[in-house]
Amino acid sequence: DTGVSQNPRHKITKRGQNVTFRCDPISEHNRLYWYRQTLGQGPEFLTYFQNEAQLEKSRLLSDRFSAERPKGSFSTLEIQRTEQGDSAMYLCASQLMGGQDTEAFFGQGTRLTVV
Amino acid sequence: DQQVKQNSPSLSVQEGRISILNCDYTNSMFDYFLWYKKYPAEGPTFLISISSIKDKNEDGRFTVFLNKSAKHLSLHIVPSQPGDSAVYFCAATANSGGYQKVTFGTGTKLQVIP
Repeated sequence: DTGVSQNPRHKITKRGQNVTFRCDPISEHNRLYWYRQTLGQGPEFLTYFQNEAQLEKSRLLSDRFSAERPKGSFSTLEIQRTEQGDSAMYLCASQLMGGQDTEAFFGQGTRLTVV
Repeated sequence: DQQVKQNSPSLSVQEGRISILNCDYTNSMFDYFLWYKKYPAEGPTFLISISSIKDKNEDGRFTVFLNKSAKHLSLHIVPSQPGDSAVYFCAATANSGGYQKVTFGTGTKLQVIP
């Protein structure tokens, strides 16, 4: 297991287009997070899953954003009708809840640029 | 509502000296705290953590101190090395109490000067 994997690493899209990102978490990790990070800010929480259940979505997440984790393994984050303000680094993290050590491990991120 | 705060956006330290990064939190439900290091164009990398039942955790050159009464934690790096130059994020979560997400501070950019 090589850790959390995110694809693609970079995405450039025209405003108004839809984009989809994929995250493959560490095997057996039951929790999966999506964060967004812009320059000079810490990772901003978007949503997270416990197994296949989406437990919380940030108030900042508009209806254009949707995330799924259909089988409790990989997850996708889709942004519809992208706007320039969506340009950011999108980070996925996975975590094993219930153990003694519960650090979240991050992927390399997907850099989205909306032009 | 910024529940995890890092009030120093940047810090410069001479190589070999101690780096002290500070973090404050407001949510008393938090019982597990983490530090992450981030290089440009990469995802954050876990560095060290501490449970609220402890007040200190040490891992090589890195030590995290937790003051629960003050809702404050700090990361000490001794001795600092140029490769430590990165952005450091403090994060907190609640192991007990069900479904608490990991919440991050805004980061402190550390520059270690050779």
